[in-house]
Amino acid sequence: QVQLVQSGAEVKKPGASVKVSCKVSGYTLTELSMHWVRQAPGKGLEWMGGFDPEDGETIYAQKFQGRVTMTEDTSTDTAYMELSSLRSEDTAVYYCATTSVVIEGGWHFNNWFDPWGQGTLVTVSS
Amino acid sequence: QSALTQPRSVSGSPGQSVTISCTGTSSDVGGYNYVSWYQQHPGKAPKLMIYDVSKRPSGVPDRFSGSKSGNTASLTISGLQAEDEADYYCCSYAGSYFWVFGGGTKLTVL
Repeated sequence: QVQLVQSGAEVKKPGASVKVSCKVSGYTLTELSMHWVRQAPGKGLEWMGGFDPEDGETIYAQKFQGRVTMTEDTSTDTAYMELSSLRSEDTAVYYCATTSVVIEGGWHFNNWFDPWGQGTLVTVSS
Repeated sequence: QSALTQPRSVSGSPGQSVTISCTGTSSDVGGYNYVSWYQQHPGKAPKLMIYDVSKRPSGVPDRFSGSKSGNTASLTISGLQAEDEADYYCCSYAGSYFWVFGGGTKLTVL
C-alpha cells in the first residue's frame, strides 16, 4: 500500500520560497498521480494542483498559477511542491495526497484523495 | 472555483443520526458522480470516508453513507459514536482535472 511521508515544518519570511517534499513508499512515484492540498489554521481544505495521468501534465488551481511548481524526482520517489512569493496568508499545513494509480500496467483513474501525507506546517512570518 | 457550501456545524447525541450537506453547482457536484468525503480529527491528516458519492473504502463502518441529489451531496452518519466527533469535508471533481473542497463541517457528539 502507498505511504506518503512529508518533510518537516518550515518558517519563512514574506517574499521567500518554500519547497516541501513528499516521499513515496509502497509504490513508485511514476505509478501515482500526486496532488497537493493545503489547510490554513482553522480553515478548510484547498486543492492546489496535481498530476493528470491522462495528459501527462501537472494542473494547478487558478489561485496558485504562477506561484506554485510541483515536481517529481523519480530516482528517489519524492514529490515536491514549491511555493514562491510567500505571504502571511500562505501560512498553512500542506498535504500531499494521491488519486489515480497504475494497476497491472494501466492507469486506474480514482477521483478521490487517498492516502494523505502527514502534513507539513509552513509558517510565513517576518 | 468556489468552495462547496457546507454547514459550519452539526451535532447529535450518541446513537442518533446526523446528515451533513454539501452544495455545489452543475459544474461540480451536479455534473459528476465524483463526490468524496473526508474525516479530520484535530492535528491529523484527512481520512477518506466516502468516494464516488456513496462508496465506502474498506475499513470504514457502514454507519457512514453518502448520497447526492442534483447539486447537493450528503453524508449521513447513523448510530453516532463519540469517536465520530471531527471535522468533515466534501470534495467534488469540477472538470478539466480540477477539484474543489467544501468549507468543512464540525460534528459535535453531545
